[in-house]
Amino acid sequence: EAQVTQNPRYLITVTGKKLTVTCSQNMNHEYMSWYRQDPGLGLRQIYYSMNVEVTDKGDVPEGYKVSRKEKRNFPLILESPSPNQTSLYFCASSPTGFRNQPQHFGDGTRLSIL
Amino acid sequence: GDSVTQMEGPVTLSEEAFLTINCTYTATGYPSLFWYVQYPGEGLQLLLKATKADDKGSNKGFEATYRKETTSFHLEKGSVQVSDSAVYFCALSEGGYGGSQGNLIFGKGTKLSVKP
Repeated sequence: EAQVTQNPRYLITVTGKKLTVTCSQNMNHEYMSWYRQDPGLGLRQIYYSMNVEVTDKGDVPEGYKVSRKEKRNFPLILESPSPNQTSLYFCASSPTGFRNQPQHFGDGTRLSIL
Repeated sequence: GDSVTQMEGPVTLSEEAFLTINCTYTATGYPSLFWYVQYPGEGLQLLLKATKADDKGSNKGFEATYRKETTSFHLEKGSVQVSDSAVYFCALSEGGYGGSQGNLIFGKGTKLSVKP
């Protein structure tokens, strides 16, 4: 089954404790992306990757890092999490990122930073 | 910059009622337009899409027509069911033009509740 898998689904942690949210897709997609969803703001892009070893900032990249060492994986790293990063996070992928290709989303990771 | 504006919710309807969720957009190029649906506790699923002016996307009884003259992509369904209760997001993508990065620009979402 074609899917985007995120882990963990839920995480409660404390300020400053480094964490990684993993994302993996099995569709051989070149393009992958991270979004955060906040009430009243919709979804906003954090980082994206056009292919292996190619990453770039989205609209709200501050406080986050990503890497793309393999095509299927695109982890999101919070080196020093802060409470304003409490949010619902989604990983997504599409074949190339071209405009007519819909993105496939994971089920989300709910992060609470205390 | 690009933006999407959709009607604010929540929207509450009775089963079999007609649904319209308004969506308008601002874009510099020739975007593709999407409707995504988010059921409780789940990720976003593509509901339908349209990639050029006058295209009509349709799926599961939902329809939306890409209107370039009014920069709109309103979602409609003739007879809603309880199972349609979800949050609906309108989105656009200009990926592939002018070096843009395939970013989906989302509206804020409209929560639909359908009562039996």
